[in-house]
Amino acid sequence: GAVVSQHPSWVICKSGTSVKIECRSLDFQATTMFWYRQFPKQSLMLMATSNEGSKATYEQGVEKDKFLINHASLTLSTLTVTSAHPEDSSFYICSARGRQRFSYEQYFGPGTRLTVT
Amino acid sequence: GNSVTQMEGPVTLSEEAFLTINCTYTATGYPSLFWYVQYPGEGLQLLLKATKADDKGSNKGFEATYRKETTSFHLEKGSVQVSDSAVYFCALSEGYGGSQGNLIFGKGTKLSVKP
Repeated sequence: GAVVSQHPSWVICKSGTSVKIECRSLDFQATTMFWYRQFPKQSLMLMATSNEGSKATYEQGVEKDKFLINHASLTLSTLTVTSAHPEDSSFYICSARGRQRFSYEQYFGPGTRLTVT
Repeated sequence: GNSVTQMEGPVTLSEEAFLTINCTYTATGYPSLFWYVQYPGEGLQLLLKATKADDKGSNKGFEATYRKETTSFHLEKGSVQVSDSAVYFCALSEGYGGSQGNLIFGKGTKLSVKP
């Protein structure tokens, strides 16, 4: 099956610094990638959707200048949390959807745990 | 707007017990419905799906039937195992036949199965 990786799996950073999270589709071309945020005991919240070669579409309430998304190629998307603060600590999950028969099939990465101190 | 509501956990069962996790949805159009499973330390995996009314999705002994009349997609398994311990998410994909692709998730239900 399709595999999506994320790097790093966990990261600790100091308040005010920026952190980049990578999402890669390993064995298929991802025309669309999604970034989610998951709070403890809560559902996944869609942050943004990015299509290769175009700007990301952010969900309402998500600061695009704080959460920079780049979909550089058909196998790589990055999420950069700029000037991170403790309230940005969360579990970030990406998913990817490729050129498949069923357009709704998303494949999820294992997630990245971000802790901002 | 579209939404998914699933029963809150945690749910604790003994091995070989019957499992039901309720899920209801609100949607316009004809969404596709999904159950995802998240094992400890891992990413979400698609467990099963149904794309139209009365479809039954099944996988690994789990089943769920797309009930349009009750807007439900309850997850069931006849005999759970310790290895089924995980968080289960009900989700829908908006648009006709799920063609739009964006997923809306329920809050997740944590299942713990004791030996």
